[in-house]
Amino acid sequence: DVVMTQTPPSLSVAIGQSVSISCKSSQSLVASDKNTYLNWLLQSPGRSPKRLIYQVSKLDSGVPDRFSGSGSEKDFTLKISRVEAEDLGVYYCLQGTHLPRTFGGGTKLELK
Amino acid sequence: EVQLVESGGGLVQPGRSMKLSCAASGFTFSNYGMAWVRQAPTKGLEWVATISYDGSSTYYRDSVKGRFTISRDNAKSTLYLQMNSLRSEDTATYYCTRDYDGWGQGVMVTVSS
Repeated sequence: DVVMTQTPPSLSVAIGQSVSISCKSSQSLVASDKNTYLNWLLQSPGRSPKRLIYQVSKLDSGVPDRFSGSGSEKDFTLKISRVEAEDLGVYYCLQGTHLPRTFGGGTKLELK
Repeated sequence: EVQLVESGGGLVQPGRSMKLSCAASGFTFSNYGMAWVRQAPTKGLEWVATISYDGSSTYYRDSVKGRFTISRDNAKSTLYLQMNSLRSEDTATYYCTRDYDGWGQGVMVTVSS
């Protein structure tokens, strides 16, 4: 199975601060069709997950452009510029290239 | 708007069976692969099973293979998860998801005597 290692496990931030979350995979996530199926999701407290970014850097509809994704092969980053209160929760990376699908362990974003 | 509504959860004894349903609306259900993802209490997300848009292909995580069956009825826009021989480690909130870009509210399954 592809292991997704997310760091840090938690982040304490002030509103308006920028943060980055890392996700490293144990295998390349480049698929046979040349696409890289790396997603970022946010689970706000008490809520279902919501996808923010797919294929490394493509924002889902309605996601603010304060969110950005980057990376390639096995090394990926989610950046949030100017954190707002609604951004708090647990962020997960998810690889959709290999079976079984695997999630990172999560990064909890909290207010400082 | 994608709407996914799970049902069928609850308390079940170890070794017994339970069937979850996920009613879909707001999109053409038969065009999309679907999946079940679970989350044990206070834990992270875990992929359980995936089914192709037409039901011809199914995939499972090893720990549920042979015990769980994912299926779909495209005429009813409904996804299912038949869970047999349930174990305490299957206790979790189960979410159905449309290709991870739409999620249901989740349904709790508790396996306990």
